Amino acid sequence: QSVLTQPPSVSGAPGQRVTISCTGSNSNIGVGYNVHWYQQVPGTAPKLLIYAITNRPSGVPDRFSGSKSGTSASLAITGLQAEDEADYYCQSYDTSLSASVFGGGTKLTVL
Amino acid sequence: QVQLQESGPGLVKPSQTLTLRCTVSGGSISSGDFYWSWIRQPPGKSLEWIGFIYPDGTTVYNPSLKSRAYISVDTSKNQFSLKLNSLTAADTALYYCARNSPQLPDNWFDPWGQGTLVTVSS
Repeated sequence: QSVLTQPPSVSGAPGQRVTISCTGSNSNIGVGYNVHWYQQVPGTAPKLLIYAITNRPSGVPDRFSGSKSGTSASLAITGLQAEDEADYYCQSYDTSLSASVFGGGTKLTVL
Repeated sequence: QVQLQESGPGLVKPSQTLTLRCTVSGGSISSGDFYWSWIRQPPGKSLEWIGFIYPDGTTVYNPSLKSRAYISVDTSKNQFSLKLNSLTAADTALYYCARNSPQLPDNWFDPWGQGTLVTVSS
């Protein structure tokens, strides 16, 4: 069981908007630690998508956005494209575990 | 731009020690305030942070590894390494090296190496 909980799968049609949730607790997201998001296309390494809740690295389209509220964070993808089909992971720091922790991952299917 | 490349054996026997190396190119491992991490991903599962090292040799490990992990750095070769002992089948995974952002403790990882698959089997 991951410390950060994500839905196993989400799906959407091209052009639609989808969101992926990342639920933590008062030992990680809830006490103010940042949340980061990664995209992993099957067979490749994870790629940083969003850092420090809302920031996009250079080259990441503005279709991707992040937010946080309380003990949860979310990744939103608008204007869904076939190339967005991948696994998405959230990451934060957990003070009880004294470790960086990842969510269980969410598989995005573009219908 | 900075690139990372893992190297090491693909197959290791149970109870043995795994040694992996990460070679950094496109920049010095000693420049900036970056830390350098190892992260692993068992087949079909999520990611687990193993630990990181600073160029001066300072290390921090994930307590879940129960002191089995040891990370070292060779700044002259622009490399850092991971040793993981007392291997079991549960250590079978894709092992990635990655650069930490300077902010601690809630740093992010970017960029990542392509990963190297390690199978623990007799």
